[in-house]
Amino acid sequence: KQEVTQIPAALSVPEGENLVLNCSFTDSAIYNLQWFRQDPGKGLTSLLLIQSSQREQTSGRLNASLDKSSGRSTLYIAASQPGDSATYLCAVKVGGGFKTIFGAGTRLFVKA
Amino acid sequence: EAGVTQSPTHLIKTRGQQATLRCSPISGHTSVYWYQQALGLGLQFLLWYDEGEERNRGNFPPRFSGRQFPNYSSELNVNALELEDSALYLCASSPSPGTAGYSNQPQHFGDGTRLSIL
Repeated sequence: KQEVTQIPAALSVPEGENLVLNCSFTDSAIYNLQWFRQDPGKGLTSLLLIQSSQREQTSGRLNASLDKSSGRSTLYIAASQPGDSATYLCAVKVGGGFKTIFGAGTRLFVKA
Repeated sequence: EAGVTQSPTHLIKTRGQQATLRCSPISGHTSVYWYQQALGLGLQFLLWYDEGEERNRGNFPPRFSGRQFPNYSSELNVNALELEDSALYLCASSPSPGTAGYSNQPQHFGDGTRLSIL
């Protein structure tokens, strides 16, 4: 059974700091891994999707890496801003019906 | 391009009642997914519909059901509501599994329906 874990559960950093969010999964048989952002009481916004054959994806100040063999992904946020404050979720798409399994998220607070 | 839309935004019910939540996918998307996000439990997969059929189901009791209409919009029905059904219900859409590269298509989410059971 696939399980997705995100560490840390919460993180508070000063504005301008570079930071790394971690995601681990127990079964390397995934189609892709996706990072989302969720603002309080809102839906999910897709940030980056890494296909199983890829090692990383970049968008602006965000960089996500994927190491399938070790079951790990990281989301790197450069020069953090108060507007980055949100919950960040990672999710893996697995076979057997294309289910998507989510981690519990990392709640990020960037202080001005 | 309009995103995934869900209605209502908020829904308040009492125990034992029935709730109906609605979702309209992005134009051209035939797959609709439902998730439950209860406080402290994270996002749990509920149901997946594609081309009008239920394709997969998460670990939820039968009182959680739904359907997909010919225009690919979807309803989630929850019968015999219980207090623990209080949650944010999120809908997502994506292209059909038959689409080339489907397995690497991102899911697009709506803003959810917050269901509160009193």
